[in-house]
Amino acid sequence: AQSVTQPDIHITVSEGASLELRCNYSYGATPYLFWYVQSPGQGLQLLLKYFSGDTLVQGIKGFEAEFKRSQSSFNLRKPSVHWSDAAEYFCAVGLKTSYDKVIFGPGTSLSVIP
Amino acid sequence: EAGVVQSPRYKIIEKKQPVAFWCNPISGHNTLYWYRQNLGQGPELLIRYENEEAVDDSQLPKDRFSAERLKGVDSTLKIQPAELGDSAVYLCASSRGSGKRDTQYFGPGTRLTVL
Repeated sequence: AQSVTQPDIHITVSEGASLELRCNYSYGATPYLFWYVQSPGQGLQLLLKYFSGDTLVQGIKGFEAEFKRSQSSFNLRKPSVHWSDAAEYFCAVGLKTSYDKVIFGPGTSLSVIP
Repeated sequence: EAGVVQSPRYKIIEKKQPVAFWCNPISGHNTLYWYRQNLGQGPELLIRYENEEAVDDSQLPKDRFSAERLKGVDSTLKIQPAELGDSAVYLCASSRGSGKRDTQYFGPGTRLTVL
């Protein structure tokens, strides 16, 4: 069965430090991959997505993610975190058999220390 | 452009009571989704509409949940009767279509607490 795992339930980083959020998926083929962010009291916002081609994907708010087929991973990175980045981050898999069938991971909560 | 609108934002009810959530998608978006997000988890799809037709309701607990999207615009999700385990955030999302490049836009959600 298809699944998405985010090994880190909660991460704390200092403002200005670099960030990497991990995501692994289980799927028989190359899926479509997404990262969403959810700020308190707000809906999910798409940060970036990967369909094919260049495995390094640039997104909004200075985020990027790299697809590594050999590791079944799609880790999210940011070189310098801002206090406003504190939020819940969700990795998601879009199944090719039905694109809009998106499966979300459990999320990683990010705290930023001033 | 206005985003996806949901109401109410919060709802507290006693178990066995009915409850309804309303969603107004972004104008021009034909595809509408209802998700349930349990505490500490990612959203799970309940139902997807293409215009007024429910094209994927395989995860909707049909014994107590119902949904409608009359005229292919706004939508209502209902629970009757509610159970303690229904406490969650109910998210509505919309997209122009269901193609792979059609981004889903999410509303702020309705947080339901069943006592």
